[in-house]
Amino acid sequence: AQRVTQPEKLLSVFKGAPVELKCNYSYSGSPELFWYVQYSRQRLQLLLRHISRESIKGFTADLNKGETSFHLKKPFAQEEDSAMYYCALGDYGNNRLAFGKGNQVVVIP
Amino acid sequence: DAGVTQSPTHLIKTRGQHVTLRCSPISGHKSVSWYQQVLGQGPQFIFQYYEKEERGRGNFPDRFSARQFPNYSSELNVNALLLGDSALYLCASSPQPDNQPQHFGDGTRLSIL
Repeated sequence: AQRVTQPEKLLSVFKGAPVELKCNYSYSGSPELFWYVQYSRQRLQLLLRHISRESIKGFTADLNKGETSFHLKKPFAQEEDSAMYYCALGDYGNNRLAFGKGNQVVVIP
Repeated sequence: DAGVTQSPTHLIKTRGQHVTLRCSPISGHKSVSWYQQVLGQGPQFIFQYYEKEERGRGNFPDRFSARQFPNYSSELNVNALLLGDSALYLCASSPQPDNQPQHFGDGTRLSIL
């Protein structure tokens, strides 16, 4: 079964401070990992996916299969980063995503 | 492009009733998935449809059913509503049924009294 764990529910950081959101997963198949973000009054949208290996809005995430982790990082938080972040796990060949409970990030000016 | 559209936006029902939620995918997207998001939790997979056929089903009772139409729009039906069915129901679409990024709608907020 697919399982995603995001341990911290609420994360408050000061503007300019680093942000790290932890995500651990459990899956025996070929995992594909995503981070989705939901800004206030907006719909859920893709932030980044591990196979792209790109930085979006200053965020990066590296898939560590040994530690079964896909932590999201940004070196300098901005106020516009305040949002709900969900880590999601899928399998190659289907669109069935398993989401974590989410992290509420609040960036303090 | 309006993106994925869902209707209605809000719905109030009572226990035992049934409900139909609707979803129109992004033009050109043939795969539609449904998710349930209970307050304080992440979305939970219910169904995936592609070319009018069910491609996947999550751990939900038979009271939940869905279908996809020739124009790729989709309906989610829930019978014999329970209080625990109160949630945000999200629809997501993608061009193909493999794991391409999914595009989500705003959801339908269902409240059961």
